[in-house]
Amino acid sequence: QKEVEQDPGPLSVPEGAIVSLNCTYSNSAFQYFMWYRQYSRKGPELLMYTYSSGNKEDGRFTAQVDKSSKYISLFIRDSQPSDSATYLCAMSAPSQGAQKLVFGQGTRLTINP
Amino acid sequence: NAGVTQTPKFQVLKTGQSMTLQCAQDMNHEYMSWYRQDPGMGLRLIHYSVGAGITDQGEVPNGYNVSRSTTEDFPLRLLSAAPSQTSVYFCASRLTGVGYGYTFGSGTRLTVV
Repeated sequence: QKEVEQDPGPLSVPEGAIVSLNCTYSNSAFQYFMWYRQYSRKGPELLMYTYSSGNKEDGRFTAQVDKSSKYISLFIRDSQPSDSATYLCAMSAPSQGAQKLVFGQGTRLTINP
Repeated sequence: NAGVTQTPKFQVLKTGQSMTLQCAQDMNHEYMSWYRQDPGMGLRLIHYSVGAGITDQGEVPNGYNVSRSTTEDFPLRLLSAAPSQTSVYFCASRLTGVGYGYTFGSGTRLTVV
């Protein structure tokens, strides 16, 4: 079993829809949770960074962490065609100094105009 | 400020050949890492470094060597290329401490025939 599980999709939604992306994990030591966005043939770019449990909002993006369920989510409001990309969750543990990220497989998202 | 620069962008190797993937960053980041990305596997950590002269193995280190003689550079060496090393390789760097995500380069697409 992988440490981090992410539905690879693909996920296709109409423009303006609310998108929900999710990851589950098995390692209870994970404390740092990130979402990266990766456009085709590009490197991942950091979208959201959350420490421990709770919510974090940045514009149209909201990240949620539920450590009791070992479940993290990324919500995209008012989705735009420019949001079409692969979204990767990543996490790390304090014992590793947060250097070693463990990634999910990535979910490919398409926003249709 | 160029960020993380990877060279070459594309490379084709024959089985058994060796080569070095170059990575340089100009952000004075202490932490640097190499990941490989394969379809359905997400990103997997190969080697990482927490500063000049200090390196350690990640999840999939076999067949790869690294060294870190300066803060700026973190080359990845393939000792004897194998078809299983066909992948997209990403170098990433970040500041020390929590709360910082990695900045990724644009990747090197390697094919071993």
